[in-house]
Amino acid sequence: LAKTTQPISMDSYEGQEVNITCSHNNIATNDYITWYQQFPSQGPRFIIQGYKTKVTNEVASLFIPADRKSSTLSLPRVSLSDTAVYYCLVGASLFSGGYNKLIFGAGTRLAVHP
Amino acid sequence: NAGVTQTPKFQVLKTGQSMTLQCAQDMNHNSMYWYRQDPGMGLRLIYYSASEGTTDKGEVPNGYNVSRLNKREFSLRLESAAPSQTSVYFCASSKQGGNEKLFFGSGTQLSVL
Repeated sequence: LAKTTQPISMDSYEGQEVNITCSHNNIATNDYITWYQQFPSQGPRFIIQGYKTKVTNEVASLFIPADRKSSTLSLPRVSLSDTAVYYCLVGASLFSGGYNKLIFGAGTRLAVHP
Repeated sequence: NAGVTQTPKFQVLKTGQSMTLQCAQDMNHNSMYWYRQDPGMGLRLIYYSASEGTTDKGEVPNGYNVSRLNKREFSLRLESAAPSQTSVYFCASSKQGGNEKLFFGSGTQLSVL
């Protein structure tokens, strides 16, 4: 079971870069690392996904070291609208008959202040 | 293209009542999921369906049943609602399951009195 561990909460200020680290010591060879963002009263939405090294898209970067036992979500120049809960998800957490179950951890509550 | 649609958005039940939460996706996805989220908590997987015709238990299946009616629809049933089932329920789908991106519905807020 590829359990993930993240900080419970983080605080930042507008314009700063925020880095949220997730530990996943038991990650399997076939697992990808995916991050989701959730605003209050909404379902989570996909931010970024990666397998190794660095991935960048229009909203975030994902850094994954060679051993893949952790990953860091980087949000450049955050704004108030980035206040949300961020979840780190490792695919293929459980296998049952060849199928995967997708398990969320508790997530990191990011509060961005003016 | 609506994505994942959940109905109803809000529901209040009395203890012991039953109800079915409906979920439909129009993205031709194979896998569908039901999660619950208690206030201030993360999401917990109730049941999932890797493909049409199959269902399997997640982390917290007790008190729930599911039906994968066809490829589009995946319903969650509470046979005898309990106050402990007060939560927000999210349905999600993915193309294949595992490493694919999850797409979530907007949720159903359920209160059991």
